[in-house]
Amino acid sequence: DTGVSQDPRHKITKRGQNVTFRCDPISEHNRLYWYRQTLGQGPEFLTYFQNEAQLEKSRLLSDRFSAERPKGSFSTLEIQRTEQGDSAMYLCASSLVVGTGKEKLFFGSGTQLSVL
Amino acid sequence: GESVGLHLPTLSVQEGDNSIINCAYSNSASDYFIWYKQESGKGPQFIIDIRSNMDKRQGQRVTVLLNKTVKHLSLQIAATQPGDSAVYFCAENSGYGGSQGNLIFGKGTKLSVKP
Repeated sequence: DTGVSQDPRHKITKRGQNVTFRCDPISEHNRLYWYRQTLGQGPEFLTYFQNEAQLEKSRLLSDRFSAERPKGSFSTLEIQRTEQGDSAMYLCASSLVVGTGKEKLFFGSGTQLSVL
Repeated sequence: GESVGLHLPTLSVQEGDNSIINCAYSNSASDYFIWYKQESGKGPQFIIDIRSNMDKRQGQRVTVLLNKTVKHLSLQIAATQPGDSAVYFCAENSGYGGSQGNLIFGKGTKLSVKP
């Protein structure tokens, strides 16, 4: 399977614990996105990377959230001191942008986080 | 403000019929619109997109219509099949710089296809 891969698929944690999710984008895709989706809602943009540079962050991304893409390939999203309100599906997407052409996002299946 | 919403939260159609899913947006600066399909337990899957300089675009069994005058977007699915059952989201890019992938999604419409 050469699609976007996310690990783990499910994560249950206790409030106050730290969690880390991993995303492996489609090979050679230069952009990588993190979105959050709560039940019954559409995905909400969190942040994105162009290669290894984090270029944009949503105001939804509080100080407890940090994302990295150290080598411009896989990315991690860490949430520190988790709160019950962090419970959601965390989606990763990647795209290949060349010049000014249209950008098409390919989403992974997400990591479902439950904070107890 | 910037918002994307849907007129109907659920839509039930008979197999073989055509489906129409509607979406309203409020940001007149939006220049790129996309429809996504999301099945249970999966991430959104791209269906079709359209730029603001077009009013219609066709794909395989799907057509997207854009009416900028009333800020309305619709997705038409021809000969709906059971495999089309999913939640459908419209999404827009505001065009205020940044990446095209910074999308604003609506809440979604659940499409159920009856055999």
